[in-house]
Amino acid sequence: EADIYQTPRYLVIGTGKKITLECSQTMGHDKMYWYQQDPGMELHLIHYSYGVNSTEKGDLSSESTVSRIRTEHFPLTLESARPSHTSQYLCASTITGGTEAFFGQGTRLTVV
Amino acid sequence: AQSVAQPEDQVNVAEGNPLTVKCTYSVSGNPYLFWYVQYPNRGLQFLLKYITGDNLVKGSYGFEAEFNKSQTSFHLKKPSALVSDSALYFCAVRGFTDKLIFGTGTRLQVFP
Repeated sequence: EADIYQTPRYLVIGTGKKITLECSQTMGHDKMYWYQQDPGMELHLIHYSYGVNSTEKGDLSSESTVSRIRTEHFPLTLESARPSHTSQYLCASTITGGTEAFFGQGTRLTVV
Repeated sequence: AQSVAQPEDQVNVAEGNPLTVKCTYSVSGNPYLFWYVQYPNRGLQFLLKYITGDNLVKGSYGFEAEFNKSQTSFHLKKPSALVSDSALYFCAVRGFTDKLIFGTGTRLQVFP
């Protein structure tokens, strides 16, 4: 089992609320990623980080923001949640080079 | 820009028959290629990867994949499918930017 954890696993919140999805890894990986997964199945890269204080937007525009103050921690924040944010969010980490990425179990977010 | 294509939304195969899940890629430079599997309500699990060397790579659960540089393909194969192989399969590529980009996914259904 990979040492990468996402909390919460499931979250139902009301429109307009601020939320933070947590992602932590204990493997010392420098690279971390956030993906949004459609109900259908497609995975879209929304944020990534190459290391502390490094964050980049992914290929899919997202209203969420991320921070990377510590190597092991890569939280994702939505300032004002909307129903269109309903999705599954997957966090992953890896190291530079050909090593595979490890994924957390995901957070399934529902905004009502 | 790097991209991955999985041309089949779904692949159906009878148990005991060979299976192939197709993947083609586009990336600058030498690619790192990966296959992942996703079971319901779970994160992604790593199956196998191609970094360099032998074009035929073997991975978990009896899966293998063949890297074809001229066709820019990395098809996933298994000689004899099991019902328990039914899941979502994702192909992914990392290029020199270290962004990890996934294909749209292929749902594999193995019938008894």
